[in-house]
Amino acid sequence: EIVLTQSPGTLSLSPGERATLSCGASQSVSSNYLAWYQQKPGQAPRLLIYGASSRATGIPDRFSGSGSGTDFTLTISRLEPEDFAVYHCQQYGSSPLTFGGGTKVEIK
Amino acid sequence: QVQLQESGPGLVKPSETLSLTCSVSGGSISNYYWIWIRQPPGKGLEWIGYISYSGNTNYNPSLKSRVTMSVDTSKNQFSLKLSSVTAADTAVYYCARPFNYYDSSVYYYWGQGTLVTVSS
Repeated sequence: EIVLTQSPGTLSLSPGERATLSCGASQSVSSNYLAWYQQKPGQAPRLLIYGASSRATGIPDRFSGSGSGTDFTLTISRLEPEDFAVYHCQQYGSSPLTFGGGTKVEIK
Repeated sequence: QVQLQESGPGLVKPSETLSLTCSVSGGSISNYYWIWIRQPPGKGLEWIGYISYSGNTNYNPSLKSRVTMSVDTSKNQFSLKLSSVTAADTAVYYCARPFNYYDSSVYYYWGQGTLVTVSS
């Protein structure tokens, strides 16, 4: 199975700053089938990005995804107060589908 | 608006079977894939598997020997059974659905999650 490693584990930033989150795969993700989810405490995950770079319905354009092969990035251009949360990457190019361990974006 | 709601016992004894149901409202269970995902406290997400409306299944190999999923189209519900549970199965269990009927892999709709604790 494909192992996803997210870095950093925690990102401490201020509102208005740019956040760059990484997701590395143990082997190439087929067809760049990589998604990103946001999760707030006590809530279910929310789909942000699929296909490495396509925004899901209703997601603000300050969220963007990039990358291919084994290296993927989620960028939040300017952090809003509601963006402080845990972010998970997920690969769906091969079964079993797997998730990374998550990156927590916290207020500095 | 599609809504999913998990239900089932919050406490299961070791070696017993965990049983959860996901009730779907705001849309038909037909023509979609239906997914179970879990998250141990303080940890990451784990994909358990999916069942299609017609009953086709795909389970995570790490759990395959203990997992059974089923769908009840008459009740607009689908279910998860996990046998021989241990403390390692303690987690928040989510049901989910993709946005598109042809997709089994990217999850747009989620239930709120239900915590299942395995303890005697």
